[in-house]
Amino acid sequence: EAGVTQSPTHLIKTRGQQVTLRCSPISGHTSVYWYQQALGLGLQFLLWYDEGEERNRGNFPPRFSGRQFPNYSSELNVNALELEDSALYLCASSLYRGTDEQYFGPGTRLTVT
Amino acid sequence: QKEVEQNSGPLSVPEGAIASLNCTYSDRGSQSFFWYRQYSGKSPELIMSIYSNGDKEDGRFTAQLNKASQYVSLLIRDSQPSDSATYLCAVKKSGGGADGLTFGKGTHLIIQP
Repeated sequence: EAGVTQSPTHLIKTRGQQVTLRCSPISGHTSVYWYQQALGLGLQFLLWYDEGEERNRGNFPPRFSGRQFPNYSSELNVNALELEDSALYLCASSLYRGTDEQYFGPGTRLTVT
Repeated sequence: QKEVEQNSGPLSVPEGAIASLNCTYSDRGSQSFFWYRQYSGKSPELIMSIYSNGDKEDGRFTAQLNKASQYVSLLIRDSQPSDSATYLCAVKKSGGGADGLTFGKGTHLIIQP
């Protein structure tokens, strides 16, 4: 069974630009979570999507947004990039809304210069 | 008080010994608790989940939960050099259903051959 996949693997952007990251959950999983892992800050919850809707978001500004498609894949969009957005962005999926075990993809390393 | 606290380490343990990793959390209503292993440059891998007080064993790993003391621990028996990694404690806070997890900053474990 394939795990969570993410693209691209690495990305370099300039401050002020916009970026889109993509995630495909494990087959059969309907919930997708996005996390940011920045140096020194640890893993922080960004967004949770289930059945195509945003169910919750962490303490991040509105320029972090996303969506979930009918096939349960998801995009994370970050507008007006700032230097401190440089981080590993991790997507995780879980079987359905009532389960808590989350499985992570390999991540997208974003560098903002 | 941080929501999920872990000793950052490094924790150095001889090969073959028991490694003991600890975690405390602040939300008394937290329901679900997880241990993830993260190798350098890789994404977190779920190794244990625990939902009720007591011990849960899976191979060389034992998770222990004490909700009264708001304390979770992970024991690794017969430690191997391949166990050297950062171990992340994660908690799903109170509230029904799935949601984003709150992570500690992790404990860096080194198994000395």
